[in-house]
Amino acid sequence: AQSVTQLDSQVPVFEEAPVELRCNYSSSVSVYLFWYVQYPNQGLQLLLKYLSGSTLVESINGFEAEFNKSQTSFHLRKPSVHISDTAEYFCAVLLPDYKLSFGAGTTVTVRA
Amino acid sequence: EAQVTQNPRYLITVTGKKLTVTCSQNMNHEYMSWYRQDPGLGLRQIYYSMNVEVTDKGDVPEGYKVSRKEKRNFPLILESPSPNQTSLYFCASSSPTGTGGWDTEAFFGQGTRLTVV
Repeated sequence: AQSVTQLDSQVPVFEEAPVELRCNYSSSVSVYLFWYVQYPNQGLQLLLKYLSGSTLVESINGFEAEFNKSQTSFHLRKPSVHISDTAEYFCAVLLPDYKLSFGAGTTVTVRA
Repeated sequence: EAQVTQNPRYLITVTGKKLTVTCSQNMNHEYMSWYRQDPGLGLRQIYYSMNVEVTDKGDVPEGYKVSRKEKRNFPLILESPSPNQTSLYFCASSSPTGTGGWDTEAFFGQGTRLTVV
């Protein structure tokens, strides 16, 4: 069975510091990978996705994620976080039946 | 504006009283699904629908029903709610491409926070 593991449930970080959220997936087939962000009291929004091609994908607000097939990972990074990045982040893999399988989520709390 | 609309946003009900959470999308998406979000468990799929009149169970379907009579609507029905169905529920829609891949994102509603007492 395919699954997603997010290794950190809580990540506190100071403003302007870097952050990395770890995500590993288990799959025996080609995968599509996603990071979604959920701001307080809101629904999920797509942050970035990997479908094929370049293994490094970027979002418009400074996040990037790298697909590593050999390590089955899709870690999310940002070199300098802002208070507004406080949110819960979900890694997800798209299964062959178009179902999104989500990790348990990582709560990022940015402090001044 | 492209969106998925869920109603109600908040609901408190009593055990056994049937309820329906509505979901509507305006993007002509074929694929719709329902998830529940619980602390430490992420989002788990309840039911999904590939198109009108085509629905199937997700990972946690027990205690839920769905219907897809129209492409835009995908209501979630709890015939006899129980306290263990207290959760945050999300509806999502998307559209697989004609090539068989998925290069469009899944759009999520704002969520429905359900409390069953």
